[in-house]
Amino acid sequence: DTGVSQDPRHKITKRGQNVTFRCDPISEHNRLYWYRQTLGQGPEFLTYFQNEAQLEKSRLLSDRFSAERPKGSFSTLEIQRTEQGDSAMYLCASSSDRGNSPLHFGNGTRLTVT
Amino acid sequence: DAKTTQPPSMDCAEGRAANLPCNHSTISGNEYVYWYRQIHSQGPQYIIHGLKNNETNEMASLIITEDRKSSTLILPHATLRDTAVYYCIVRSTFGNQFYFGTGTSLTVIP
Repeated sequence: DTGVSQDPRHKITKRGQNVTFRCDPISEHNRLYWYRQTLGQGPEFLTYFQNEAQLEKSRLLSDRFSAERPKGSFSTLEIQRTEQGDSAMYLCASSSDRGNSPLHFGNGTRLTVT
Repeated sequence: DAKTTQPPSMDCAEGRAANLPCNHSTISGNEYVYWYRQIHSQGPQYIIHGLKNNETNEMASLIITEDRKSSTLILPHATLRDTAVYYCIVRSTFGNQFYFGTGTSLTVIP
């Protein structure tokens, strides 16, 4: 079990730029989740994939955000035209599709928009 | 999914048991209770989960009341490395999301 891997760990960008984050889930897990966490708050759900299908999106996921999981393995989260309010930790998690399986999280990508 | 209520912070002496409570009075029959913890600058770490029976693993014990409206996570011998934010979450078998609240910030004191 190599765990959930996220890249990069840190990203500093200027307002208006586009950024893309990558998540590599645990290999046998077919569910993949993206969460966002701001300082002092718990993680907030953004979106969820079952294999390559994006099945659920939060209202937090504005039109500037897009997530993909093209072959049902790794996933990318892109933010276009970043704003200062996008500064947060972006967390990826994966799980098997057995009903009560827990989520296993990566250590996140910390985004700072200047 | 049911909401949970946790105290915002707790202290525990090193070597003593840490008992972290969680209230989930609106839990329904098919909802599991999960516990995670998060150390600064890391992702949440899964600890344990259960439906109605008490559970124990190498990290902790989970005690769920008979009416399932509350639970307690027990760290039997707290160490300084157990200082973290602990989240209690309930989720149904059919639910796709884990809703995190603001958790309990546990400080283990030497």
